[in-house]
Amino acid sequence: EADIYQTPRYLVIGTGKKITLECSQTMGHDKMYWYQQDPGMELHLIHYSYGVNSTEKGDLSSESTVSRIRTEHFPLTLESARPSHTSQYLCASRRGTTVNSYNEQFFGPGTRLTVL
Amino acid sequence: AQTVTQSQPEMSVQEAETVTLSCTYDTSESNYYLFWYKQPPSRQMILVIRQEAYKQQNATENRFSVNFQKAAKSFSLKISDSQLGDTAMYFCASGGSNYKLTFGKGTLLTVNP
Repeated sequence: EADIYQTPRYLVIGTGKKITLECSQTMGHDKMYWYQQDPGMELHLIHYSYGVNSTEKGDLSSESTVSRIRTEHFPLTLESARPSHTSQYLCASRRGTTVNSYNEQFFGPGTRLTVL
Repeated sequence: AQTVTQSQPEMSVQEAETVTLSCTYDTSESNYYLFWYKQPPSRQMILVIRQEAYKQQNATENRFSVNFQKAAKSFSLKISDSQLGDTAMYFCASGGSNYKLTFGKGTLLTVNP
């Protein structure tokens, strides 16, 4: 399995709390991603980063924010959690391309967030 | 823009039999890549198999193989000798020059003993 970690694995919190979901990888990958996935459903890209100090919003609008201060670390923050944020959040990473090569994304185990 | 369509929300197969999962895609890129990912219940998403669009030969990985029909924009996954551990959600995905993946809605495969 790939060396990409997410903490916490499960989180139950009350409405209005600020939370940070952690994602770290030890593979030196420059590209990292956050996806939101409801149980048994498709993945939606909410944020991505192509390197340090580079972050972009994904295809699905999200109230969360991200930062990329170090290559290996890509945390996601919700300033004020709401029940609509209840979902699974998956972090992924990949290295850059080489000629005629597209490298796959490696996924973390996910954080299952429940906001009461 | 890329789109990926998986038309089978759920499938089931008996252990040791063969099953094929369907996937169609659309892309404006000339150089793109296709993937099948597996997400077992409550476990990590892992890559099953990948296919470079410029290669005509279908990719194979042990019991897993693809039928890549470029003109039809079809990319099906065949699982031979199905095992109980193959029970999972399977996602088809496409990737291009923007380093992002577009995923289908997934197919839930259940392997029955």
